[in-house]
Amino acid sequence: EADIYQTPRYLVIGTGKKITLECSQTMGHDKMYWYQQDPGMELHLIHYSYGVNSTEKGDLSSESTVSRIRTEHFPLTLESARPSHTSQYLCASSSDFRGGQETQYFGPGTRLLVL
Amino acid sequence: SQKIEQNSEALNIQEGKTATLTCNYTNYSPAYLQWYRQDPGRGPVFLLLIRENEKEKRKERLKVTFDTTLKQSLFHITASQPADSATYLCALRSGSARQLTFGSGTQLTVLP
Repeated sequence: EADIYQTPRYLVIGTGKKITLECSQTMGHDKMYWYQQDPGMELHLIHYSYGVNSTEKGDLSSESTVSRIRTEHFPLTLESARPSHTSQYLCASSSDFRGGQETQYFGPGTRLLVL
Repeated sequence: SQKIEQNSEALNIQEGKTATLTCNYTNYSPAYLQWYRQDPGRGPVFLLLIRENEKEKRKERLKVTFDTTLKQSLFHITASQPADSATYLCALRSGSARQLTFGSGTQLTVLP
């Protein structure tokens, strides 16, 4: 079992509210990622970070923002939630490339419902 | 454009049989390919990695093959069990890319 945690696991919130999804890992990994996944659909990378104070947007455009102030912590924030943000959000981390290989460890996910 | 395709339909097999899942890709030159397992409501879990210069990799009842000419990987589960029921994702990273790209997955159900 990977040591990567997400809270909350489930969140139901009204339109216009600000939310922060938490992600923490205790493996000392430099790389962290946020994916968005709708039921039965593929993972879409929305943000990633290669280390402290480094964040970049992924392939899927997202209105969310992220920060990486500490190695172990990679929170995702939505300033004003909308029903279109309803989805599952998965956090992952990985270590530096070893021989060019990278394995990602995923958290349990946060299932978000915006009413 | 780059694309990863997995069996679009769910796969149902009888317990004890071998399950074979397919991952095809286009416009990638992957340095390696990975397979993950995802259970409902949970994050994916890494299973196996195979490098571009490897033809086959095994781990217990799992076997992965990688054919860079066909641009295809096959994932086999031998002596399948109901506990193997899950969605299986393939993921690959090109040599020039900075992140993994995941397929949409194949849902496998092993019937007792």
